[in-house]
Amino acid sequence: DGGITQSPKYLFRKEGQNVTLSCEQNLNHDAMYWYRQDPGQGLRLIYYSQIVNDFQKGDIAEGYSVSREKKESFPLTVTSAQKNPTAFYLCASSIQDSGEQYFGPGTRLTVT
Amino acid sequence: DQQVKQNSPSLSVQEGRISILNCDYTNSMFDYFLWYKKYPAEGPTFLISISSIKDKNEDGRFTVFLNKSAKHLSLHIVPSQPGDSAVYFCAAPLNTGNQFYFGTGTSLTVIP
Repeated sequence: DGGITQSPKYLFRKEGQNVTLSCEQNLNHDAMYWYRQDPGQGLRLIYYSQIVNDFQKGDIAEGYSVSREKKESFPLTVTSAQKNPTAFYLCASSIQDSGEQYFGPGTRLTVT
Repeated sequence: DQQVKQNSPSLSVQEGRISILNCDYTNSMFDYFLWYKKYPAEGPTFLISISSIKDKNEDGRFTVFLNKSAKHLSLHIVPSQPGDSAVYFCAAPLNTGNQFYFGTGTSLTVIP
């Protein structure tokens, strides 16, 4: 079955450590996205990538980094520079930016 | 396993008429539902929500209806305006937000 996967489901890290969240899709989608969800707020765009080896900053890119070396994979690194990293992170993909988006199940990151 | 489904990828409506966007779900544990609106190259923005203890929630031109027995909800926009043209996502959180399930979105075009 085609889909988009994120791992792990729950992630715990100490403050000051970088952590990388995985996102993989086998839908053959060109575009991929990372969002952050905080309580009481809508999804906020961190980074997006329209094509392999290219990505753009979203609304809240500071403290995050991404790579897009393969079409199927779009890992997100939460660096120690991110002031409030504890959040729920969602990855999504779509054929094109204006179309439907398929979301992964999310990763709950807790930094203490 | 698509627990939240939006079966209409696109919808076109004349300006001033009603837009009705539909969403179905399979998991009876869902007790809260959200609608998001997304413009191209932007993150989705929260639009309106409804708790399972209600069957209707209204906010200006936007009304969401919930039919729990049918596991169905709908978003009504009246009157529709060209600025409403966007992709609309239905979403449901599980386990107090530890996991979000999103529909794949419906692209609404309001024709002037």
